[in-house]
Amino acid sequence: TQLLEQSPQFLSIQEGENLTVYCNSSSVFSSLQWYRQEPGEGPVLLVTVVTGGEVKKLKRLTFQFGDARKDSSLHITAAQPGDTGLYLCAGASGTASKLTFGTGTRLQVTL
Amino acid sequence: SQTIHQWPATLVQPVGSPLSLECTVEGTSNPNLYWYRQAAGRGLQLLFYSIGIDQISSEVPQNLSASRPQDRQFILSSKKLLLSDSGFYLCAWRSTGAASPLHFGNGTRLTVT
Repeated sequence: TQLLEQSPQFLSIQEGENLTVYCNSSSVFSSLQWYRQEPGEGPVLLVTVVTGGEVKKLKRLTFQFGDARKDSSLHITAAQPGDTGLYLCAGASGTASKLTFGTGTRLQVTL
Repeated sequence: SQTIHQWPATLVQPVGSPLSLECTVEGTSNPNLYWYRQAAGRGLQLLFYSIGIDQISSEVPQNLSASRPQDRQFILSSKKLLLSDSGFYLCAWRSTGAASPLHFGNGTRLTVT
């Protein structure tokens, strides 16, 4: 069973601070995705990375895929209360039909 | 545009009762379909996925089963629910391809009493 471990598990910061969330595995993935989930709803895709070493930016969010395609990070600059939520990484492998999710990072940004 | 419908939104069932959760997708053909379960505030555990009609892959042996009787219909079932089956169940679809995103339904909150 492939495992995707995310750290930290919980993060509570003040508005304007920077933060990084990590997603690590011993398995290689053909692609990796990041999602954000609000309470009572399904996760919503933020970004997909497919190439080792790839970096993608989405406004204040920066995503990086590890060179070996086993890990990824999400960096948020100047966090805002609207960034609050559960952040999930998910890796595709094998035939790419199977998508395995990480353990999740709950972020709370306060004023 | 594509839409995914999942129902019911909430469900309270006694231990030992059967379960049937249904998910349908509109606006796409031959999607990959998924059932996930989520513990409170945690990651998603993949239960079943399907790449075609009657093609079901089970990830975690347990008290649940899945069926795909039609191309865009995915059903999660149990003959006898256990307390440990309580959780938030999410159905999702995606197109084929490693980079395709998952599109989720709004989930079903199941409480087994």
